[in-house]
Amino acid sequence: GQQLNQSPQSMFIQEGEDVSMNCTSSSIFNTWLWYKQDPGEGPVLLIALYKAGELTSNGRLTAQFGITRKDSFLNISASIPSDVGIYFCAGLFSGSARQLTFGSGTQLTVLP
Amino acid sequence: SAVISQKPSRDICQRGTSLTIQCQVDSQVTMMFWYRQQPGQSLTLIATANQGSEATYESGFVIDKFPISRPNLTFSTLTVSNMSPEDSSIYLCSVEQSPNQPQHFGDGTRLSIL
Repeated sequence: GQQLNQSPQSMFIQEGEDVSMNCTSSSIFNTWLWYKQDPGEGPVLLIALYKAGELTSNGRLTAQFGITRKDSFLNISASIPSDVGIYFCAGLFSGSARQLTFGSGTQLTVLP
Repeated sequence: SAVISQKPSRDICQRGTSLTIQCQVDSQVTMMFWYRQQPGQSLTLIATANQGSEATYESGFVIDKFPISRPNLTFSTLTVSNMSPEDSSIYLCSVEQSPNQPQHFGDGTRLSIL
């Protein structure tokens, strides 16, 4: 099946620093999604990307859909303590099936 | 986006028993899915819950172990049958509210089997 490699696996950063994480795939996707999961909760959608090359922002978050359609990155600027959590990328190859393939996650810790 | 409610939020069960998890959405949705998230791991799709017909299972998941119902466009259940400690996971329901919209997730059911 399709594989998504997400890196880094974990990050420890100082409050105020910028963060970057990325996902690469062995197959192309038509949609890239980025989710954040806090302890005890389900993943919450942060950004959705639908076109190769698309760059989309949501507040301090910016994500891009790679030109090859096999990769995506997520940047967080000026990190704050509430950014702590696990970030997942997910890819979708559109069709009747609509199954998402998830990356392994990036655990972000923000130090005061 | 749709409000997704899962029940129970957590449970501790005995080996060999079964548990049914409910997923209720506050509006009609086109697609509903069930995922498993093992401790410290990512999400793995179990099946797509099809309204009025049998669910579509992913490789490694079978109907006898994870029977799924979806009687209408707002409700689905997942049963974890004949549970063993290896079934200890978070089980998550997700929905696609309308075609080509991204999936949104419930808060999950945290299941521990003794």
